Amino acid sequence: AQTVTQSQPEMSVQEAETVTLSCTYDTSESNYYLFWYKQPPSRQMILVIRQEAYKQQNATENRFSVNFQKAAKSFSLKISDSQLGDTAMYFCAFFPPYNNNDMRFGAGTRLTVKP
Amino acid sequence: NAGVTQTPKFQVLKTGQSMTLQCAQDMNHNSMYWYRQDPGMGLRLIYYSASEGTTDKGEVPNGYNVSRLNKREFSLRLESAAPSQTSVYFCAFSGSSNQPQHFGDGTRLSIL
Repeated sequence: AQTVTQSQPEMSVQEAETVTLSCTYDTSESNYYLFWYKQPPSRQMILVIRQEAYKQQNATENRFSVNFQKAAKSFSLKISDSQLGDTAMYFCAFFPPYNNNDMRFGAGTRLTVKP
Repeated sequence: NAGVTQTPKFQVLKTGQSMTLQCAQDMNHNSMYWYRQDPGMGLRLIYYSASEGTTDKGEVPNGYNVSRLNKREFSLRLESAAPSQTSVYFCAFSGSSNQPQHFGDGTRLSIL
């Protein structure tokens, strides 16, 4: 079975600074999808960014970018110019394209942005 | 959340009681999912439905049943609730298994 590991249970960053959240995964698949989701205190699950394994270019969405290292099975999220509204739980997720039963989420990283 | 309605938002049950969590999406998407979220464990897939009339087990299906009544609705049923099923439950949908999932607001379920 696939596994997703987020090794940082909690992190904090000063407003306007940059922070990187780590995620590693284990799979024998060559084609898959990776996602970062944000869960603020409101409990909503909000998609942050998506990466397709067959694309070498790292995905970017405004202040959010990823460092996808396929050989190392690493998928880290970088948040630039951190804002107070970025305070949330962040979940890394692995989605295989053909077997929903192998979808896995990491345990999450609680990020606090300090003023 | 736009596109998906999940009810109820909160529920307290006694051990052995039954209940059904409802989920409906108005985006006409094929795939729907039920997850549970427990502290320190992220989200775990309970059941999913790739299309109307089909359902499949996920990572943690024991103690649950589901029903995909039509394309819009996907319900989760606890036949005999147990304290171990105390959790936050999320419904989600997507266009297909490789598309991002969109989540409901969650149901906080406590079983005493």
